[in-house]
Amino acid sequence: GAGVSQSPSNKVTEKGKDVELRCDPISGHTALYWYRQSLGQGLEFLIYFQGNSAPDKSGLPSDRFSAERTGGSVSTLTIQRTQQEDSAVYLCASSLGTSGRDEQYFGPGTRLTVT
Amino acid sequence: GDSVTQMEGPVTLSEEAFLTINCTYTATGYPSLFWYVQYPGEGLQLLLKATKADDKGSNKGFEATYRKETTSFHLEKGSVQVSDSAVYFCALRRDDKIIFGKGTRLHILP
Repeated sequence: GAGVSQSPSNKVTEKGKDVELRCDPISGHTALYWYRQSLGQGLEFLIYFQGNSAPDKSGLPSDRFSAERTGGSVSTLTIQRTQQEDSAVYLCASSLGTSGRDEQYFGPGTRLTVT
Repeated sequence: GDSVTQMEGPVTLSEEAFLTINCTYTATGYPSLFWYVQYPGEGLQLLLKATKADDKGSNKGFEATYRKETTSFHLEKGSVQVSDSAVYFCALRRDDKIIFGKGTRLHILP
């Protein structure tokens, strides 16, 4: 079946603008994760959703970042008043559950450039 | 807190050379350990994993052994190919989160 998809693949925005990044997880996967991949910084956990539970937002770097997951499927990551340091590749992953045996499947990412 | 440290790249090798990418971790208890690979233009893929001490993960000719005594999970391959050129990430899983190293870019020359 289809893997995790993300859109757009690339986004260039001006500093101060808001952006929305979309993730479509694999059908049937109850867990969804957002990560940020910055140059020289590796991958940084942002937020995760598990079923109908309250999301774990512990990785969000500031209150300009928020995410929602509608109907337990599609997720949108919103960055308000973007800053240049927000430039990165934003990766989404999904898994069947949150067991340590459940592999996370990653999407191709959205490359965000803030000018 | 938990962390993963891996050797900085880029690493450049000739085809058929032996590969080692070092990875060490800091964590309480015994997390699961992973190597992910990101080929050019593609998303992250799980390469191999080990869930307890002394386990050896293997896939596509790559191997890594979970060493509790040295808190290491070094990635090895006996004979690399040009198609192995990618970025490799060592990671650990603590509950629901994966903590990644910064990645090592590998270039294999024909």
